Amino acid sequence: AQTVTQSQPEMSVQEAETVTLSCTYDTSESDYYLFWYKQPPSRQMILVIRQEAYKQQNATENRFSVNFQKAAKSFSLKISDSQLGDAAMYFCAYRSPDYNNNDMRFGAGTRLTVKP
Amino acid sequence: EAGVAQSPRYKIIEKRQSVAFWCNPISGHATLYWYQQILGQGPKLLIQFQNNGVVDDSQLPKDRFSAERLKGVDSTLKIQPAKLEDSAVYLCASSLRWEGALTEAFFGQGTRLTVV
Repeated sequence: AQTVTQSQPEMSVQEAETVTLSCTYDTSESDYYLFWYKQPPSRQMILVIRQEAYKQQNATENRFSVNFQKAAKSFSLKISDSQLGDAAMYFCAYRSPDYNNNDMRFGAGTRLTVKP
Repeated sequence: EAGVAQSPRYKIIEKRQSVAFWCNPISGHATLYWYQQILGQGPKLLIQFQNNGVVDDSQLPKDRFSAERLKGVDSTLKIQPAKLEDSAVYLCASSLRWEGALTEAFFGQGTRLTVV
């Protein structure tokens, strides 16, 4: 079974600085999808960025980018120019292409604090 | 586009009572998920529907939890009888039918259940 590990329960960053959140996963599949979701206090999970495993190019979305290392099974999220609104729980998730097993598998999350 | 709707947002019940949660997915989304998120943890899949059929309910405690998705649209999740350890946020999510494309899950705001 696929597992997702986030080894940083909490992280903090100064406003306008850059922070990197770590994520590793375990899988025997060669093709899959990876996601970072943000969960603010409102509890709504919001997609931040996604990556297809067969693509070597790292995904970017404005201030958010990933460092995808397939061989190392690592998928870190970099937030540049951090803003107060970035403060939230961040979850890394794995999704299998298997039709019968394609739910999102989440890590335990990293709580990000942004200091003004 | 309307998002995933869930109700109620909060519920407090005594142990051994029953409770039901409702979810209305995004229009046209054939796949619906119920996740349980215990405080400090990532969401854990309880059940996945494809239209009105169950794809995966391997982690659903079937002695007390039940779920249905009549007509392949709205879904209800029921707990009867509730235990203290059922205190959690229950998240509903939906996505387009997976056909090899990169699809994400869209989440509702969840129902926070407290069992006392």
